[in-house]
Amino acid sequence: ETGVTQSPTHLIKTRGQQVTLRCSSQSGHNTVSWYQQALGQGPQFIFQYYREEENGRGNFPPRFSGLQFPNYSSELNVNALELDDSALYLCASSFKQGATNEKLFFGSGTQLSVL
Amino acid sequence: GDSVTQMEGPVTLSEEAFLTINCTYTATGYPSLFWYVQYPGEGLQLLLKATKADDKGSNKGFEATYRKETTSFHLEKGSVQVSDSAVYFCALSGTSWGKFQFGAGTQVVVTP
Repeated sequence: ETGVTQSPTHLIKTRGQQVTLRCSSQSGHNTVSWYQQALGQGPQFIFQYYREEENGRGNFPPRFSGLQFPNYSSELNVNALELDDSALYLCASSFKQGATNEKLFFGSGTQLSVL
Repeated sequence: GDSVTQMEGPVTLSEEAFLTINCTYTATGYPSLFWYVQYPGEGLQLLLKATKADDKGSNKGFEATYRKETTSFHLEKGSVQVSDSAVYFCALSGTSWGKFQFGAGTQVVVTP
């Protein structure tokens, strides 16, 4: 059912570098959220974008930033990478209408390794 | 803040056994509750959801009932199959629209 695609699937970076992860939302969805999933843990909310603006943020430092484009695709940027940033990064899209808590459709994720 | 606690895994079962995964939550207001499943190498897929007290979500033989009095949303399946082997996540969506709070996940291993 999900049409959320993420790229790349795997990425290796070194400490201090910057990385950009990409996501294409499911057709018809206007909201995208990003989650970080450390090994053996549940996903942790990073932030959400709605109509190209940040619409909520979790407990992540400013070096985690994002963009949402007019076609509802999205980017997650992480600056000054740290070893603890190694994780699976999940993009999830949904359709926001009113106050309904819509279900999330997840992509398969980008596995980031920081050496 | 909002939180979700679910039983630790791994849970190892034989095929056709009964499965229960416990999930309790803490939240202000009236959250929606979800179970997501993650198969190896894949993203999370919605398994079922419930949006208000006493609602029962069901899908693919799995069921969970929103119990406000015990703040629980336990997942059950009467007869598991090998294909049910996966990691199951309990989650809630509360007062901050769009922010889902996930539990740590419970790995389920079903053997033939």
